[in-house]
Amino acid sequence: GENVEQHPSTLSVQEGDSAVIKCTYSDSASNYFPWYKQELGKRPQLIIDIRSNVGEKKDQRIAVTLNKTAKHFSLHITETQPEDSAVYFCAASILGGSARQLTFGSGTQLTVLP
Amino acid sequence: EADIYQTPRYLVIGTGKKITLECSQTMGHDKMYWYQQDPGMELHLIHYSYGVNSTEKGDLSSESTVSRIRTEHFPLTLESARPSHTSQYLCASSLGTTGTRGETQYFGPGTRLLVL
Repeated sequence: GENVEQHPSTLSVQEGDSAVIKCTYSDSASNYFPWYKQELGKRPQLIIDIRSNVGEKKDQRIAVTLNKTAKHFSLHITETQPEDSAVYFCAASILGGSARQLTFGSGTQLTVLP
Repeated sequence: EADIYQTPRYLVIGTGKKITLECSQTMGHDKMYWYQQDPGMELHLIHYSYGVNSTEKGDLSSESTVSRIRTEHFPLTLESARPSHTSQYLCASSLGTTGTRGETQYFGPGTRLLVL
């Protein structure tokens, strides 16, 4: 089955700096890669996703890049703000596949220092 | 309002008790999931369901059981709670159709379980 590895497990940045979280996946058939954000004491929520037919997707200060050949994808947050502090999870799946959908990475605790 | 609900939100119980964690969604989703998560840590899939009368075990070995008699309802039962079951349990659902919209999982607020 699919295996998703996520790095780093913790990341601290100064407010205004950029943050990058990286994930690798094992199943070359995976074609959908969402990112979830979980604030302290709250439920995980989807923040951005990308399909394998594109290499990059951007939504304001958040962007995701995908390298299918290397089987890795990354989350980029620019101009970080204190409210970006949270645990971020990457995931991978096969759209329309019969598998049980998302395989999550182990999470990255991002702390934005004021 | 369409959402996914979990009850109770917090539960403290003694060893050996039987408990059922409730999960209901009003979004008309076909697929539902149970995850176990220590706060801020990895999400471990313990059960999932494709639809009514369909349940499967996830990656993490669990002594819990689930049922899916109604589309909107996916309860999780522990027959005999132990301190090792202390954790947060998150329920999630997804539309289940093809395409990215069908894959997005919506999570409930979670149940924090403490077994003494």
